[in-house]
Amino acid sequence: DAGVIQSPRHEVTEMGQEVTLRCKPISGHNSLFWYRQTMMRGLELLIYFNNNVPIDDSGMPEDRFSAKMPNASFSTLKIQPSEPRDSAVYFCASRGQGAPGEQYFGPGTRLTVT
Amino acid sequence: AQSVSQHNHHVILSEAASLELGCNYSYGGTVNLFWYVQYPGQHLQLLLKYFSGDPLVKGIKGFEAEFIKSKFSFNLRKPSVQWSDTAEYFCAVNYGQNFVFGPGTRLSVLP
Repeated sequence: DAGVIQSPRHEVTEMGQEVTLRCKPISGHNSLFWYRQTMMRGLELLIYFNNNVPIDDSGMPEDRFSAKMPNASFSTLKIQPSEPRDSAVYFCASRGQGAPGEQYFGPGTRLTVT
Repeated sequence: AQSVSQHNHHVILSEAASLELGCNYSYGGTVNLFWYVQYPGQHLQLLLKYFSGDPLVKGIKGFEAEFIKSKFSFNLRKPSVQWSDTAEYFCAVNYGQNFVFGPGTRLSVLP
């Protein structure tokens, strides 16, 4: 299995631009998580989906952030408009039904907003 | 809200020293417990996990952790660390649909 796939791996954009991060979970997994990691705040859960349905989005910082999961094999995290304080590494993780709690992380997207 | 705490923010050890990283959680019901490791510039990887049974769990690379239910703890140990163990270590707790990570402990091992 290829594991969790994220794209792009690195993104540099200017303030005000729209940014879309993509994630493909492990095939057969039914839960998907988006995290943000910074030096200042550590690892933060932004949102998670169960069977493509958003269950908890209380970690989404503000309305500029949105996430979708149109099907079991694809999810996006969008920031519009982006700001310098959004610079971070964004991780996607997935979890299968048969392995309660164990999450598998993707390689992350390093976002830099100038 | 349920929480996970890790005792130390940054631990510095010399090679061959013994390691113990503390982890405590606040949920009183049935939990699944995990330790993840994040090497510099990489993503989080599962180190070990506890679901049930023997409270002493052995993981990869010589790590082990002990679940002490009465203390709500799941401390990570390694008898002799190596320079390659330099990383950040995260404790995590799963209960029901919830999954909570601790703030992480950075381990620096000096050669």
